[in-house]
Amino acid sequence: AQSVTQPDIHITVSEGASLELRCNYSYGATPYLFWYVQSPGQGLQLLLKYFSGDTLVQGIKGFEAEFKRSQSSFNLRKPSVHWSDAAEYFCAVQGGANNLFFGTGTRLTVIP
Amino acid sequence: KAGVTQTPRYLIKTRGQQVTLSCSPISGHRSVSWYQQTPGQGLQFLFEYFSETQRNKGNFPGRFSGRQFSNSRSEMNVSTLELGDSALYLCASSPALSTDTQYFGPGTRLTVL
Repeated sequence: AQSVTQPDIHITVSEGASLELRCNYSYGATPYLFWYVQSPGQGLQLLLKYFSGDTLVQGIKGFEAEFKRSQSSFNLRKPSVHWSDAAEYFCAVQGGANNLFFGTGTRLTVIP
Repeated sequence: KAGVTQTPRYLIKTRGQQVTLSCSPISGHRSVSWYQQTPGQGLQFLFEYFSETQRNKGNFPGRFSGRQFSNSRSEMNVSTLELGDSALYLCASSPALSTDTQYFGPGTRLTVL
């Protein structure tokens, strides 16, 4: 069965520091992987996605993620965090059908 | 292109009532999926509609139902509301295929009293 684990419930970083959010997935076939961001009271905005090909994926707002099949991971990174990046981040894997399985999310706090 | 729109944005109902939520997908998108987001259960898939047919369904009771119209707009209905149905209901649209990216609307916040 498909599943996603985001081991960090809450992360606090200083503005300008680097960021890495962890995501581990379980899926039998080649996964389609996504990172979404959600600001309070809002829907989900797609940051980036991995379907196939290059394992380092570039997204919007300066984010990138690296797919590592051997580790079943799809960690999200950003070299320098901005205060506006404070939000909740969700990793998701797409099932065989057109439905997404989400992790429990990581809440990011940015301190000035 | 306009994004996914959901109406209403906020809704308050009482136990036992029923509710209908509406979702208009991005123009040209034919697939609409619904998700429930709660603090306890996180984001869970409800169902997906494509060309007016339910194509996939998550693990929710029959009180949760939906439909899709010929213009791809979708509605979901929850009958006999329970307190636990309080949640943010998110709609997502995609062009068609299972490999297409899903784009989410802002959600409808349902509160059941």
